[in-house]
Amino acid sequence: EDQVTQSPEALRLQEGESSSLNCSYTVSGLRGLFWYRQDPGKGPEFLFTLYSAGEEKEKERLKATLTKKESFLHITAPKPEDSATYLCAGTGSARQLTFGSGTQLTVLP
Amino acid sequence: GAVVSQHPSWVICKSGTSVKIECRSLDFQATTMFWYRQFPKQSLMLMATSNEGSKATYEQGVEKDKFLINHASLTLSTLTVTSAHPEDSSFYICSASQTGVSNQPQHFGDGTRLSIL
Repeated sequence: EDQVTQSPEALRLQEGESSSLNCSYTVSGLRGLFWYRQDPGKGPEFLFTLYSAGEEKEKERLKATLTKKESFLHITAPKPEDSATYLCAGTGSARQLTFGSGTQLTVLP
Repeated sequence: GAVVSQHPSWVICKSGTSVKIECRSLDFQATTMFWYRQFPKQSLMLMATSNEGSKATYEQGVEKDKFLINHASLTLSTLTVTSAHPEDSSFYICSASQTGVSNQPQHFGDGTRLSIL
């Protein structure tokens, strides 16, 4: 059974304080690792897809990286508007998306 | 691009009534649409996968007679919660895939908050 585990569950940062979110996965035949952002009461918003170990994707203050067992979402100099829940999800041979439980990020001004 | 609209965003109704939720892909044709359920502070749990013109595939433990899914066109899927009871109260989210290929991202609607009294 595919599993995706995210840590920490919650993270509080001061504005400008860089950090990383972790996503550990065991997905058989990984076809894609996805990062989403979810604001309260909203659906997930797509951020990145990573396909193979060593791949990196960047968007503004966010950078996602992938190894054979983990993915990291690095947040550089975060701002309060980056506060949200960040979800990691993987798809593989089972062809369905398995989500982690998310990291709730709060960036304090 | 890749906008998914879900309606209604919030519904409150009495126990025993049926509720229909619509999911539309606004600027693309969705070969496959997905329905998820999310409990507070928990992640998304896949309920069913629907392909246009065919019967939905339900995940283990999801009652297909309780949660009726219709995917009549490439831009619309509906989820009907029949004879809803308080335990059906939850946040329901749909997503759509442009290609149906699993390594392409799904695009999500903004969810429907269902409260059964």
